[in-house]
Amino acid sequence: GAGVSQSPRYKVAKRGQDVALRCDPISGHVSLFWYQQALGQGPEFLTYFQNEAQLDKSGLPSDRFFAERPEGSVSTLKIQRTQQEDSAVYLCASSSRTEIYEQYFGPGTRLTVT
Amino acid sequence: SQQGEEDPQALSIQEGENATMNCSYKTSINNLQWYRQNSGRGLVHLILIRSNEREKHSGRLRVTLDTSKKSSSLLITASRAADTASYFCAPLTSGSRLTFGEGTQLTVNP
Repeated sequence: GAGVSQSPRYKVAKRGQDVALRCDPISGHVSLFWYQQALGQGPEFLTYFQNEAQLDKSGLPSDRFFAERPEGSVSTLKIQRTQQEDSAVYLCASSSRTEIYEQYFGPGTRLTVT
Repeated sequence: SQQGEEDPQALSIQEGENATMNCSYKTSINNLQWYRQNSGRGLVHLILIRSNEREKHSGRLRVTLDTSKKSSSLLITASRAADTASYFCAPLTSGSRLTFGEGTQLTVNP
């Protein structure tokens, strides 16, 4: 595909469950970003990878959030023991450069924790 | 990192009119980017303006940058119903991540 894809598009989890969200960036893109977007707000940065290296994870809200990109392409954002405040849209973006120029966003995964 | 603040929060216009949205930021930047987000979807990059540029055009979009006032504006000319979306600015300082404000919700009425 030509764009960034994310799966699943929608996820409903019971409080306390673990979830895994997947991002397939544009082929060959070096940089990959995860954002969290609450309703009515702009996206908030979570973490950034350059190839397989996680260079910035300062935006992860707690140690329940974990992201990986083991082979420098597909990335997974894992949330352990989900809480209601984790309900949001999780956006993935990729960029072809190591410097942060224009980012290409996926459609997002809407997570609802009940 | 720094956050851009968009103004107004909401804007409603008629099709064919022009729409202007503003963005203010606090510290020196490398470049500033504008993104659009249609309801329930991911963001789409619209335009990037570098700190040494004052104006940039892309189709019906015109972006200005005033580094002395630390502000930028996005003008959409001859608006269409399909332009209805949220618009975000993202000022970028070298080496930092993108930080978005709450955006401007633009509604273009047919």
